[in-house]
Amino acid sequence: QQPVQSPQAVILREGEDAVINCSSSKALYSVHWYRQKHGEAPVFLMILLKGGEQKGHEKISASFNEKKQQSSLYLTASQLSYSGTYFCGTEVTGNQFYFGTGTSLTVIP
Amino acid sequence: NAGVTQTPKFRILKIGQSMTLQCTQDMNHNYMYWYRQDPGMGLKLIYYSVGAGITDKGEVPNGYNVSRSTTEDFPLRLELAAPSQTSVYFCASSYRWIETQYFGPGTRLLVL
Repeated sequence: QQPVQSPQAVILREGEDAVINCSSSKALYSVHWYRQKHGEAPVFLMILLKGGEQKGHEKISASFNEKKQQSSLYLTASQLSYSGTYFCGTEVTGNQFYFGTGTSLTVIP
Repeated sequence: NAGVTQTPKFRILKIGQSMTLQCTQDMNHNYMYWYRQDPGMGLKLIYYSVGAGITDKGEVPNGYNVSRSTTEDFPLRLELAAPSQTSVYFCASSYRWIETQYFGPGTRLLVL
């Protein structure tokens, strides 16, 4: 039930792009993305609802393919501040919510 | 506006002891949640509440209890601490169900 994220870890140089994928075995009502820096609490980035919409947040955007039960997070022109662990969260039937396995992103100068 | 606050920040328990993790929010959110995060892992939902007096189980409720007597407070109780409960516990709240959750700073619990 826990969604699977890929890759598990990625290292980027400043200015490079990255894609983080989130895949669920269950039908999804919504997908949520959070970023957690080491030793801190997760911080909300964005939510995507059923309908295949794509959302943007500055240079970070995401898509949601409800038929494939997948979501992708796109980080464009990465900055040092983007470093952290990214989690997707999936809302499924029965008022249940599952965070994904996490993707560690490190941006180096 | 403090957001979500949690106490204590860190605690060491002996096996079999009990304790209550405190969580308070000042945003007048109806929804509150308790998660645990094991080292290097994602967060797992323990319990949630949709309002004062209403709570329900999440993915990993065994070994925990909750209550919600006010909108602001959502304490998590560990009755008989076990080493498997060593984790970081996060409390969160939101205005709508599961949307835009605001997390507290976490409580690091070590059971020896």
